Amino acid sequence: SYEVTQPLSVSVALGQTAKITCGGYNIGSKNVHWYQQRPGQAPVLVIYRDTNRPSGIPERFSGSNSGNTATLTINRAQAGDEADYYCQVWDSSTGHVVFGGGTKLTVL
Amino acid sequence: EVQLVESGGGLVKPGGSLRLSCAASGFTFSTYNINWVRQAPGKGLEWVSSIDSSSSYIYYADSVRGRFSISRDNARNSLYLQMNSLRAEDTAVYYCVRCNSWYEYDYWGQGTLVTVSS
Repeated sequence: SYEVTQPLSVSVALGQTAKITCGGYNIGSKNVHWYQQRPGQAPVLVIYRDTNRPSGIPERFSGSNSGNTATLTINRAQAGDEADYYCQVWDSSTGHVVFGGGTKLTVL
Repeated sequence: EVQLVESGGGLVKPGGSLRLSCAASGFTFSTYNINWVRQAPGKGLEWVSSIDSSSSYIYYADSVRGRFSISRDNARNSLYLQMNSLRAEDTAVYYCVRCNSWYEYDYWGQGTLVTVSS
């Protein structure tokens, strides 16, 4: 079955750029989606289909996907961006959905 | 406004059964694939099951196949998850999620907590 891996944690200084990676075999050939989950809340979609932002998501959030790595980039990180972030793909060969293990973002 | 409201969670003994429901509103329920996603306490997100708009394509995670059954009633705008032979490791918040064109989850319910414990 397909697997994707994320770092357990990423730290970023206030106002700087955070990058969260999602690794998987030839993940560049798949559509990758990203979710933000704050404590006690349901996840929120922040990037879909690699690079697209849903309405209401700040332009500071962007995504890329190539080769074996997809990346969520958060520019000008704010305290409110502290959360868990999950990448997600759909494995067309099995019909299953796969989540990364999640990355805890800390804004210093 | 799109809303997904789960219900049916609670405390159940190992080996027991529970049926979760998800009431949808604010969109044409019958045209969307809907999934269940769960999150164990302090853990990450885990996909559980998916069902397409006409109930023709149904998939389950390996961890629940043979024990859980997903279904929907488009006339009632409702999704269900019948959970049998429950185990301690099934303890989690269960989310009902709407699946959009590229298999992204654009709307989530607030979740319902299932606790499996003796």
